[in-house]
Amino acid sequence: AQTVTQSQPEMSVQEAETVTLSCTYDTSESDYYLFWYKQPPSRQMILVIRQEAYKQQNATENRFSVNFQKAAKSFSLKISDSQLGDAAMYFCAANEGSGNTPLVFGKGTRLSVIA
Amino acid sequence: KAGVTQTPRYLIKTRGQQVTLSCSPISGHRSVSWYQQTPGQGLQFLFEYFSETQRNKGNFPGRFSGRQFSNSRSEMNVSTLELGDSALYLCASSAAGTGIFSYEQYFGPGTRLTVT
Repeated sequence: AQTVTQSQPEMSVQEAETVTLSCTYDTSESDYYLFWYKQPPSRQMILVIRQEAYKQQNATENRFSVNFQKAAKSFSLKISDSQLGDAAMYFCAANEGSGNTPLVFGKGTRLSVIA
Repeated sequence: KAGVTQTPRYLIKTRGQQVTLSCSPISGHRSVSWYQQTPGQGLQFLFEYFSETQRNKGNFPGRFSGRQFSNSRSEMNVSTLELGDSALYLCASSAAGTGIFSYEQYFGPGTRLTVT
């Protein structure tokens, strides 16, 4: 069964600095999808970035980018030029791409941004 | 397109009662998933419905059930409520076709259930 592990329960970053959130996963499939979701305090969960396992190029969305290391089964999220609005819970998630298995989430990392 | 909507947003129930939560997915999305979120356990998968059929089920007791209607709207029911059922219940929809965009889940704002 697929598992997703986020080893950092909490992280903090100074405003305008860069922070990296870690995520590792375990799957026996060769084709799968990876996601990072953001849940601001008392607000809706939103998708931050997506990555297809067969693509070697790391996905980028504005200030958010990933470091996808397929062999190491690692999928970290880098936030550049951190802003106060980036403060949230961040969840890493994976799907084995068959359509018959649910999206599996990690426990989340709470990110604080210090002004 | 309108986003995922959930009703009600807040509920207070007493132990032993039952509750029904509703979720309306994004138009065109055929898959609806339900999650329970608590500070201690994080985000836990309850079940997923696709084309009115339960396709996946998490590790929750039978008191938790759901269904999906022909218009893809979904309801979740919890019977014989316990104090430990107090949580944020999230609904998410996805297109459920092929390719990465079909597996992306779009979340609703959640229903905050408090059991006293």
